[in-house]
Amino acid sequence: KAGVTQTPRYLIKTRGQQVTLSCSPISGHRSVSWYQQTPGQGLQFLFEYFSETQRNKGNFPGRFSGRQFSNSRSEMNVSTLELGDSALYLCASSLGASQETQYFGPGTRLLVL
Amino acid sequence: EDQVTQSPEALRLQEGESSSLNCSYTVSGLRGLFWYRQDPGKGPEFLFTLYSAGEEKEKERLKATLTKKESFLHITAPKPEDSATYLCAVQARGSARQLTFGSGTQLTVLP
Repeated sequence: KAGVTQTPRYLIKTRGQQVTLSCSPISGHRSVSWYQQTPGQGLQFLFEYFSETQRNKGNFPGRFSGRQFSNSRSEMNVSTLELGDSALYLCASSLGASQETQYFGPGTRLLVL
Repeated sequence: EDQVTQSPEALRLQEGESSSLNCSYTVSGLRGLFWYRQDPGKGPEFLFTLYSAGEEKEKERLKATLTKKESFLHITAPKPEDSATYLCAVQARGSARQLTFGSGTQLTVLP
């Protein structure tokens, strides 16, 4: 079974621009979560989607948003990019039941100049 | 607020030298504790899920255990290919599928 895929893998943007990242979950998985990973803050939860609905949101500004489509694929968007948004953005998928494992994709490395 | 603390931050072992990594947690009702392995530039790779105190799981040279306040990842006779950052995360009741991660232990196994 194919794993979680994320596109693009690498991205370079300038301050003030916006960016959209894409995530395709493991086949049959209905929950998609997004995390930001930086050397200083580690892995931090951004938000989770299940059945096209945002179920939970972390402590990030409104510039960070996301959505999920009917086929469970998800996108996250960051508007008005800041230098501090440079990070590895990770997507994780799970079946959608409680108390079960999230499987991570390879991530999208975003560099903001 | 849920918190996860991992120690040590870094660990260097000789090949074959067994050791343990620690993960201390504070959570308002534990739903699950997860161990992941992360190689540089890659996403975390799932290792184990533990749900209740006293539970143990094993995979090859790794064994994870759980108490009410902490979890240990025991590495027996490690090999250089076990070198990676090991991450611990908790999922709290009522938090949907939000994981709170520790900062990780960077393990280096020397040949």
